[in-house]
Amino acid sequence: EPEVTQTPSHQVTQMGQEVILRCVPISNHLYFYWYRQILGQKVEFLVSFYNNEISEKSEIFDDQFSVERPDGSNFTLKIRSTKLEDSAMYFCAGERGANNEQFFGPGTRLTVL
Amino acid sequence: QKEVEQDPGPLSVPEGAIVSLNCTYSNSAFQYFMWYRQYSRKGPELLMYTYSSGNKEDGRFTAQVDKSSKYISLFIRDSQPSDSATYLCAMSAKDTGRRALTFGSGTRLQVQP
Repeated sequence: EPEVTQTPSHQVTQMGQEVILRCVPISNHLYFYWYRQILGQKVEFLVSFYNNEISEKSEIFDDQFSVERPDGSNFTLKIRSTKLEDSAMYFCAGERGANNEQFFGPGTRLTVL
Repeated sequence: QKEVEQDPGPLSVPEGAIVSLNCTYSNSAFQYFMWYRQYSRKGPELLMYTYSSGNKEDGRFTAQVDKSSKYISLFIRDSQPSDSATYLCAMSAKDTGRRALTFGSGTRLQVQP
């Protein structure tokens, strides 16, 4: 059964550096999402992407963040200048679109030092 | 008032017990309700999906939605040690254009052999 994959599984970076987190969604999914989960806290929505543009974003998703689907398969989240508080698990999710069932990837653990 | 409230637990039960997990919510626009299972430092795994009010059964799992009370439940019958995980409720107001999921904080379940 196809699964959402994410790379890297763990990324360590210095404060102020740029990071790119990558996701390969399931091929027949139409909507794509990024969520994050700070350790011990709830899963929070960041942004959704449909038809090659952002369809919805939260207040967390500020100018530091951007998303792209550069080649029709990968889906990326870029954080331009990381802060300590960006340390979290970042999850990519996909949805076919007929209903709202979202399937999550295994996550990337981002550690900002 | 939080949009979605969930008792964090931990909930500890003996193997074979019936487990009841619950969430309450405040936003009456929520129409799509999901339950996810999350193992430590892993991505959420979709267990059950329900639209609007009613019951849905899948094997040992039953999901219930009571929109009049803004209350959803997940029942696990014949619980197994492998069911030990954190259970997340999630919901969306897709019919209003908000496909993003709003999550509860999760209930940690321990099934003792």
